[in-house]
Amino acid sequence: DAGVTQSPTHLIKTRGQQVTLRCSPISGHKSVSWYQQVLGQGPQFIFQYYEKEERGRGNFPDRFSARQFPNYSSELNVNALLLGDSALYLCASSSRSSNQPQHFGDGTRLSIL
Amino acid sequence: GENVEQHPSTLSVQEGDSAVIKCTYSDSASNYFPWYKQELGKRPQLIIDIRSNVGEKKDQRIAVTLNKTAKHFSLHITETQPEDSAVYFCAAIRSRDDKIIFGKGTRLHILP
Repeated sequence: DAGVTQSPTHLIKTRGQQVTLRCSPISGHKSVSWYQQVLGQGPQFIFQYYEKEERGRGNFPDRFSARQFPNYSSELNVNALLLGDSALYLCASSSRSSNQPQHFGDGTRLSIL
Repeated sequence: GENVEQHPSTLSVQEGDSAVIKCTYSDSASNYFPWYKQELGKRPQLIIDIRSNVGEKKDQRIAVTLNKTAKHFSLHITETQPEDSAVYFCAAIRSRDDKIIFGKGTRLHILP
């Protein structure tokens, strides 16, 4: 079975632009979570979606939004990009809510120039 | 606010010795505690987890202990090997809103 897949793997944007990152969970997993990982730090929780509904939200500004589709894939959108948004964005899926083992994708490395 | 403190930030141990990484959480509503291993440039990989109704769990050379009263949980790696070198993250999760807090990580070096 395929693991969690994310696209694109790398992305370069400039300040003020908007970006959409995509995630496909492991087959059968209904929960998707998004994290931001800055170099040398632990992943910071952004959102968790379960059955297409937002179940959790971290301390990120409203420029960050997400959604989950009927096939349980997910998109993370970031508007009005700032230099500080440069990071590795990780997606993780689990079979139910986040109180279950989460399996991470390889991430999307976003660089803001 | 909620916080997970992880210590030490860097740990070097001789191959074959044991390594211990400790975490403390602040939110008493946390009830699930996974540990992840992340090698350079790779995804975090779940290595072991423990729930709040269990005090200890072991999987071969890896064990995790949980003290709910003290809000402490620890990762123990015995008979360390070169491939154990990586960054290890602890996390605490509460089920009522699925809020997940990661520690800042421990860089483990296994010395030959």
